[in-house]
Amino acid sequence: EAGVTQFPSHSVIEKGQTVTLRCDPISGHDNLYWYRRVMGKEIKFLLHFVKESKQDESGMPNNRFLAERTGGTYSTLKVQPAELEDSGVYFCASSQVGGSSQFFGPGTRLTVL
Amino acid sequence: AQSVTQLDSQVPVFEEAPVELRCNYSSSVSVYLFWYVQYPNQGLQLLLKYLSGSTLVKGINGFEAEFNKSQTSFHLRKPSVHISDTAEYFCAGQSGGGADGLTFGKGTHLIIQP
Repeated sequence: EAGVTQFPSHSVIEKGQTVTLRCDPISGHDNLYWYRRVMGKEIKFLLHFVKESKQDESGMPNNRFLAERTGGTYSTLKVQPAELEDSGVYFCASSQVGGSSQFFGPGTRLTVL
Repeated sequence: AQSVTQLDSQVPVFEEAPVELRCNYSSSVSVYLFWYVQYPNQGLQLLLKYLSGSTLVKGINGFEAEFNKSQTSFHLRKPSVHISDTAEYFCAGQSGGGADGLTFGKGTHLIIQP
């Protein structure tokens, strides 16, 4: 069974540009989460989807971040426009409804210059 | 609000020695606790979790952790480490709903010395 996949693995962009990160959860997992780790800090929760609905987006830093999960399968996280402080590793995780274990993807390393 | 504290940013240990990685949590509600490991250039992998029941939890790769409610701790232990255990270890907590986002500690680098 395929695990959580994320694309791209690395992205280097300039300040002001737009970047879209993609996450494909494990098949059948209705819960999908986005997290971010800024260098030197802890991994922070961004938001939680249940199928296509945003269950909790309390961790989203500001309105430059837009997450979608159309059709309840894969999810995208768009940063527009990117700022220097957006640099970090963005992780996606998924879990089954009623399941407590979240399975993480390898992350996307975003560098904003 | 929940918080998770990993006081040690790095723990150097000699190969085949025992190790304990410390984690303390703060929560006013029931909490689930997890340990994840991130090997170099890989994603996070679940080592073990505590939901309820027995306070001693056994995980993969010979790791175990003990939930201690009175000390609000969930320390990770392994009796004998190997070079392959070199990684960053993360403690995380989740409010009792079971589907909420995780609250992570800052991580502990386990450095195995030959």
